Amino acid sequence: NAGVTQTPKFQVLKTGQSMTLQCAQDMNHEYMSWYRQDPGMGLRLIHYSVGAGITDQGEVPNGYNVSRSTTEDFPLRLLSAAPSQTSVYFCASSPTSGSRNEQFFGPGTRLTVL
Amino acid sequence: AQSVTQLDSQVPVFEEAPVELRCNYSSSVSVYLFWYVQYPNQGLQLLLKYLSGSTLVKGINGFEAEFNKSQTSFHLRKPSVHISDTAEYFCAVRRNNNAGNMLTFGGGTRLMVKP
Repeated sequence: NAGVTQTPKFQVLKTGQSMTLQCAQDMNHEYMSWYRQDPGMGLRLIHYSVGAGITDQGEVPNGYNVSRSTTEDFPLRLLSAAPSQTSVYFCASSPTSGSRNEQFFGPGTRLTVL
Repeated sequence: AQSVTQLDSQVPVFEEAPVELRCNYSSSVSVYLFWYVQYPNQGLQLLLKYLSGSTLVKGINGFEAEFNKSQTSFHLRKPSVHISDTAEYFCAVRRNNNAGNMLTFGGGTRLMVKP
């Protein structure tokens, strides 16, 4: 199993550009989520999905969209990038949405918005 | 709502010395507790978790943590650190009502092991 994969690893955008961060998992996990990591703030939840066709907002959803058309994929879209979105983005998955489950994290995407 | 405070942003320590990374949380409901480790330029990896039972939890790489309900703490310890333990460590909590899987993270503690 490849686990949780993310592409690209690095990305530089100009203010106002749009892009999609890709996330895929091959573990047949129901639950997937996106976090952003900023210095001194830990990880904050952006959006999550409890299964194909179901998504919901996390703590910091503004400026981001998600969709979940398949169990495997959970892309994160930046509609109009802003410098405040410069961050490291992590995708994570777990077997179900149950609270006991460990979350498995991808390697991250480092995004810079100029 | 819940919150997590990691009291030290950086902890320098010499190799083979003991270390404690502190974590306090607040929550209006019972929670599950987790410690994750992030090595440079990598994603997060689970070190250990407390769900129920014994309050002393053992994890990978010789780490352990103790859940103290009265002090709402979940401090991480290792009796003798190695250079390879240099990483950032995150404490996290999740409500145990099984209504969702939202993890709340602390700000992280950077452990720097010196030779």
